[in-house]
Amino acid sequence: QQQVKQSPQSLIVQKGGISIINCAYENTAFDYFPWYQQFPGKGPALLIAIRPDVSEKKEGRFTISFNKSAKQFSLHIMDSQPGDSATYFCAASPNSGGSNYKLTFGKGTLLTVNP
Amino acid sequence: SQTIHQWPATLVQPVGSPLSLECTVEGTSNPNLYWYRQAAGRGLQLLFYSVGIGQISSEVPQNLSASRPQDRQFILSSKKLLLSDSGFYLCAWSADPGTPISYEQYFGPGTRLTVT
Repeated sequence: QQQVKQSPQSLIVQKGGISIINCAYENTAFDYFPWYQQFPGKGPALLIAIRPDVSEKKEGRFTISFNKSAKQFSLHIMDSQPGDSATYFCAASPNSGGSNYKLTFGKGTLLTVNP
Repeated sequence: SQTIHQWPATLVQPVGSPLSLECTVEGTSNPNLYWYRQAAGRGLQLLFYSVGIGQISSEVPQNLSASRPQDRQFILSSKKLLLSDSGFYLCAWSADPGTPISYEQYFGPGTRLTVT
């Protein structure tokens, strides 16, 4: 079964600190790994994504680290701000070679950044 | 730029009543379309996806059905709602396969459905 395991379920960080959320997958056919940010009552927003041909991708304060051999990837939020408080989901999809890319999501991490 | 709309934003329906949720996408052609359900405090479960008009694939057997009558319109329906159908329903789109960004899925604002 295609699964993506996400941890921790919840995370509390002080303003200015580093938030780290981890995900692990089983299906070696996965080759696209996005992270989504969701605020209460809103749809998830694509935050950052990585393909397996690189080990790290950085966009502003957000960095994805990818370890292909361990089948793990993580999101790092540097200089965390109260406005970053949200639920974060990791996801993965295979290159099925077909005409769709079905995402498998982790269960989410509720991040709270205290001022 | 592309925009995705969902309506209604919230809905309260009694058990046994029918359901119709609509999703439309603007600014793109031949998108892949997806319906997800998000239960409270849980992740997203893919319900249906569509690669073209009239082409629907179901991921989970359930009380719901989907249709795609137009290229950029996706509808989620039920003939008789169950209590367990309550949740946050999200529509998403991704670009025409073969384009560089076809992996990326973008979500709509969602519909909060409460079945009473």
